[in-house]
Amino acid sequence: EVQLVESGGGLVQPGGSLRLSCATSGFIFSDYYMDWVRQTPGRGLEWLARTANKARGYTTFYAASVKGRFTISRDESDSSLYLQMNSLKTEDTAVYYCVRGYNSFDVWGQGTLVTVSP
Amino acid sequence: DIQMTQSPSSLSASVGDRVTITCRASQDINNYLGWFQQKPGKAPKSLIYDVSNLQSGVPSKFSGSGSGTDFTLTISSLQPEDFATYYCQQYKSYPYTFGQGTKMEIK
Repeated sequence: EVQLVESGGGLVQPGGSLRLSCATSGFIFSDYYMDWVRQTPGRGLEWLARTANKARGYTTFYAASVKGRFTISRDESDSSLYLQMNSLKTEDTAVYYCVRGYNSFDVWGQGTLVTVSP
Repeated sequence: DIQMTQSPSSLSASVGDRVTITCRASQDINNYLGWFQQKPGKAPKSLIYDVSNLQSGVPSKFSGSGSGTDFTLTISSLQPEDFATYYCQQYKSYPYTFGQGTKMEIK
């Protein structure tokens, strides 16, 4: 069974940093593109970042709203995906989802809540 | 960025009804269109990719159609478990974008 399990969310002050993790299982991690998507009541679903698969050299792509502040990465040794979030703003408050980027976004994690507040 | 606009934003329907949700892209997205279902407190679930292909395990009561900029999701014979919020998404070009959602409620 394909599974994605996020962790690392929590409360952080504006300007702070947080690193989200996504543990994956049930598939050959290196074969797949992986993404981060977030959701807020106000802005809905927002795609943030993508890392390509091994065949595509793990190329990364970012939304303009997070480029330069967030970094997506992956560790093939333990099939994990990461999102390093720096210079956090209150508007980054959201539920963050780890997503497998195959046939659109075929598998989603359960999400982890990030709250940016003084 | 490609804007995705869904209509209606909300709808009321009865068990057994057939409903259609539309999604319009601000430019041609070829067939790079997906549909998702989300229930309260849960992650979105992928239903359809490439306009009309069902994800594994998704019942055939869900169907998608369209091309270019205009797309539809049809759900036949609504059951209580189908009442949820539905989103479309384009993955033609970065940044990938989602529609604002269609919330379906029981009449």
